[in-house]
Amino acid sequence: QVQLQESGPGLVKPSETLSLTCTVSGGSIKDFYWSWLRRPAGKGLEWIGRMYNNQTTFYNPSLKSRVAMSVDMSKNHFFLKLSSVTAADTAIYYCARHYRFRGIIAHFDHWGRGTLVAVSS
Amino acid sequence: DIVMTQSPDSLAVSLGERATINCKSSQSVLFRSNSLNYLAWYQHKPGQPPKLLFFWASTRESGVPDRFSGSGSGTEFTLTISSLQAEDVAVYYCHQYYNAPFTFGQGTRLEI
Repeated sequence: QVQLQESGPGLVKPSETLSLTCTVSGGSIKDFYWSWLRRPAGKGLEWIGRMYNNQTTFYNPSLKSRVAMSVDMSKNHFFLKLSSVTAADTAIYYCARHYRFRGIIAHFDHWGRGTLVAVSS
Repeated sequence: DIVMTQSPDSLAVSLGERATINCKSSQSVLFRSNSLNYLAWYQHKPGQPPKLLFFWASTRESGVPDRFSGSGSGTEFTLTISSLQAEDVAVYYCHQYYNAPFTFGQGTRLEI
């Protein structure tokens, strides 16, 4: 059974860079699409971006200028960096795997439990 | 971006009664070449990751009770719980994966 686990600092200062790691166990990170999402308090789910095999990335245009994703396939980890954070970036951050069907990048079939990141001085 | 709008925002239903949640997309999420609706439903409880309920609008994920059903096509979709159980209290989201950026409805809070 594939399992995902987010990790990283729970507190980041304004204007600094938020860095998170997603550890994938029970399956290979290779040949799947992986995404980061977040849910600010009192709001709905927001998709941040996706990546594939360290080759292709697609970021939400609303965050594109501040987001970078990467992967370490040797460790089955993938990463999120979000720069110049503000209080509006305070949220629970999730990593998730896309289901693949006949080449279609489809829904999220596995999620991490999420990690709360607060932006505050 | 495809905007997903759910109704209602919150819903209180008695145990054993039917609950219906609607989801509308600002453009069709039906891919005509394969006749698939690129629409999923998730159940989200506090402290847990979102749980996949349906994909392709009406394909039930393994392990999801059959009191849950998903329907609809094009731009209008419905999640129905035929007989509400206490464990169904959660926030429910629809999600389109037809186009990136992938988007979600604002969520419907289901209470007893």
